Amino acid sequence: DAGVTQTPRHEVAEKGQTIILKCEPVSGHNDLFWYRQTKIQGLELLSYFRSKSLMEDGGAFKDRFKAEMLNSSFSTLKIQPTEPKDSAVYLCASSFLGDYAEQFFGPGTRLTVL
Amino acid sequence: QQQVRQSPQSLTVWEGETAILNCSYEDSTFDYFPWYWQFPRESPALLIAIRPVSNKKEDGRFTIFFNKREKKLSLHITDSQPGDSATYFCAASANSGTYQRFGTGTKLQVVP
Repeated sequence: DAGVTQTPRHEVAEKGQTIILKCEPVSGHNDLFWYRQTKIQGLELLSYFRSKSLMEDGGAFKDRFKAEMLNSSFSTLKIQPTEPKDSAVYLCASSFLGDYAEQFFGPGTRLTVL
Repeated sequence: QQQVRQSPQSLTVWEGETAILNCSYEDSTFDYFPWYWQFPRESPALLIAIRPVSNKKEDGRFTIFFNKREKKLSLHITDSQPGDSATYFCAASANSGTYQRFGTGTKLQVVP
């Protein structure tokens, strides 16, 4: 079975641009997560979907970050407009329904904002 | 507010020693504690997890010790190997529709 896939793997953007990151969860998984990972802050939750419904929108990330899940097998994360401080690795993860389920992480997208 | 805390931030041990990674949490409703490890240039992956029906979970050289009263747990890695060098994340969740909260991680280096 295919794991979580993310595209692109690397993205370079100019400050102020709009970028869209894509994620395909493991087939059959009901929960999908978007995280931002930096060395200083560690793993920060951006969004959490359960069965395509947005359960958590990451509070501090609301203004320029928007995640969507149009169907059970595809999700996007839009950052608009980008800022240099957004440079990080963006991870998508999915799991079966349930609070005790293992999260499977994708390979991540490394974003650099100039 | 960080609901899951980890210490130390980084740890160096010699090959063969026991590494001890600590984790504490705030929410007393948390009842599932997975540990994920992340190797350089890779994504996190589940290593071992515990439900507090017992105070200990063992898997080979990796053991979780759990103290519900103090809201603390620790991951012990016995006979540490250079291949164990990674960042270890403690996470916690509850059976209430909440998601797993992650700690900030402990970076372990095992020196040959």
